This record gives sequence, C-alpha cells and structure tokens, in this order.
Amino acid sequence: DQQVKQNSPSLSVQEGRISILNCDYTNSMFDYFLWYKKYPAEGPTFLISISSIKDKNEDGRFTVFLNKSAKHLSLHIVPSQPGDSAVYFCAAAYGGNKLTFGTGTQLKVEL
Amino acid sequence: GAVVSQHPSRVICKSGTSVKIECRSLDFQATTMFWYRQFPKQSLMLMATSNEGSKATYEQGVEKDKFLINHASLTLSTLTVTSAHPEDSSFYICSARPPPLPEQYFGPGTRLTVT
Repeated sequence: DQQVKQNSPSLSVQEGRISILNCDYTNSMFDYFLWYKKYPAEGPTFLISISSIKDKNEDGRFTVFLNKSAKHLSLHIVPSQPGDSAVYFCAAAYGGNKLTFGTGTQLKVEL
Repeated sequence: GAVVSQHPSRVICKSGTSVKIECRSLDFQATTMFWYRQFPKQSLMLMATSNEGSKATYEQGVEKDKFLINHASLTLSTLTVTSAHPEDSSFYICSARPPPLPEQYFGPGTRLTVT
C-alpha cells in the first residue's frame, strides 16, 4: 500500500527553466510534508517542508505547494541549475512521527 | 546545524559474520533515530525507530533478532546486522530528528556488501 506516490520516475528540464515535481498521498491523517534531495550513494538532504495548515512555503529557489483537498503537493525549483540534478523524494508524516517516503523522481537539468 | 554522521561508509563482510553500523548526531541531541534501507532504484524503507533508553520499534517484516538496534545515548544509535547473508547487502541510512519539528536529517549511508 503506497501511501505516498510520485508518478513521474524522471523529469528533464533545461537550465534556467522551472522544475515541477509532483507528489500525491492517500492518507488524510498526514499533517506534515517534506522534500528531500538525494545523490547516489549518499543520504537524503532535507530541502523544504510544509505543515498542513499552510498551502505554500518558500525558501530561496524552492517553493512547496500543498493542495489538501486533492491530496497533492508539488515542489517548484526556479531557476533550475545543473547541480539540482538528483533524485527528489517527497515524504509525509503525522503527529511528528515516522516519515513515509514516495518512490522518488530523477531530475535532470540540462545545459 | 543538524549534522548526522555514519560509520563506516562502506563495509564488506563474509556471510555468517556480524557488522555494526554507528549513527551519531553531531550538533544536537536526538531521543529518536531512524534506520532505513534502500535497494537500487527504490525508495527508502524504514526498518526501525530507535528510542534512547528503550527498545527499538521495528517495522512489519523486519527481523528484530537479525537487525539489533541500540540507542545508548542521545547522540548515538547502532545497528548490528547479525549472521549476515548476501541478501542483506544493501545501502543502510540512519536519520535523526532534532525536536520539536518532524524534519529528519540523514547520515551519509553505509554500503554493506556480504560475500
């Protein structure tokens, strides 16, 4: 039972353009959502998070949008840079407990 | 801040032996640490939640006698893979959560290869 899904296994974007990574969830109990970036053979790096009481959170080039009614969140990266090429995982939690991770999206930012 | 280290980064062991992996929170105290496993091209699978001073909570399907977890202090948790088999070869990653937010910060991971 995959409670957090990232339906796009890969995404290719040109440098300078916007990258939009999507994530859907099924458990309405989730109240906190996070995005992580991961390079091969390394641990994930925390990027940005959002509480369910908000619908947007912004940090520099990264913005996360939450649509609770659709059980959907997205991560926008603008402008995209070659160093952003990595696997991006969304994760969800409730009650400050354990995280449930999505399956990941491989982002490739091309020159 | 919120730095988590893991040691070793890579280990090769023979089938039947045990391997210990350490996870340390370097600049904060963590009452809770987590252990994950990642197979190639797959997501992170939570194995267990490590609680300082008490028994770990294992996820369904994870053998507690095979994957021994000890959280002896607020900055150190260890995972011991006992009687390792080739199918235990994987990338093991720990994380820690500086209270009070749910964000987890991850270590760099340990690549275990059992021959």
